[in-house]
Amino acid sequence: KAGVTQTPRYLIKTRGQQVTLSCSPISGHRSVSWYQQTPGQGLQFLFEYFSETQRNKGNFPGRFSGRQFSNSRSEMNVSTLELGDSALYLCASSVQGLYNEQFFGPGTRLTVL
Amino acid sequence: DQQVKQNSPSLSVQEGRISILNCDYTNSMFDYFLWYKKYPAEGPTFLISISSIKDKNEDGRFTVFLNKSAKHLSLHIVPSQPGDSAVYFCAASAGNTDKLIFGTGTRLQVFP
Repeated sequence: KAGVTQTPRYLIKTRGQQVTLSCSPISGHRSVSWYQQTPGQGLQFLFEYFSETQRNKGNFPGRFSGRQFSNSRSEMNVSTLELGDSALYLCASSVQGLYNEQFFGPGTRLTVL
Repeated sequence: DQQVKQNSPSLSVQEGRISILNCDYTNSMFDYFLWYKKYPAEGPTFLISISSIKDKNEDGRFTVFLNKSAKHLSLHIVPSQPGDSAVYFCAASAGNTDKLIFGTGTRLQVFP
């Protein structure tokens, strides 16, 4: 069974630009969550989508948004990038939700210059 | 406010000995706890979990202990192996549809 895939793996943007990251969950998984990992902050929850609906949201500004498609693939968008948005963005999928074991993708490393 | 805390950013243990990774939490509503392991350039992988109705869960070399009164959980790895060298994150949630709150991680290094 294929794992969670994320594209692109690396991305370099400049301040003020916007970026879209993509996540393909494991087949059959309906829940997709997004996390931001920065040094010293650990993994911080961004949001969770389940069956195309945002079910949970973390404490991030509105510049961070996401969506999920009918095939459970998910995208995350960050608008008006700031230097502090430089981080590893991880996507995780699970069968039904956050209580279930989540399977993480390798992440997208975003660098904002 | 960091609801899940891993106060030791790093830990170094000799191969064959026990590794003990600690995690404290502040939210008494948390009822499910997980440990994840992360290697560089890879996403975290699930290790072991424990529900608040239990105080111990064991899976091979990995055992998680939960002390609800102290709001503390620990992960024991016995015996430690060099391949265990990674960053370990504990995480907690307050229900099936609640978000997971992760700690900041502890980097474990197991040396020969």
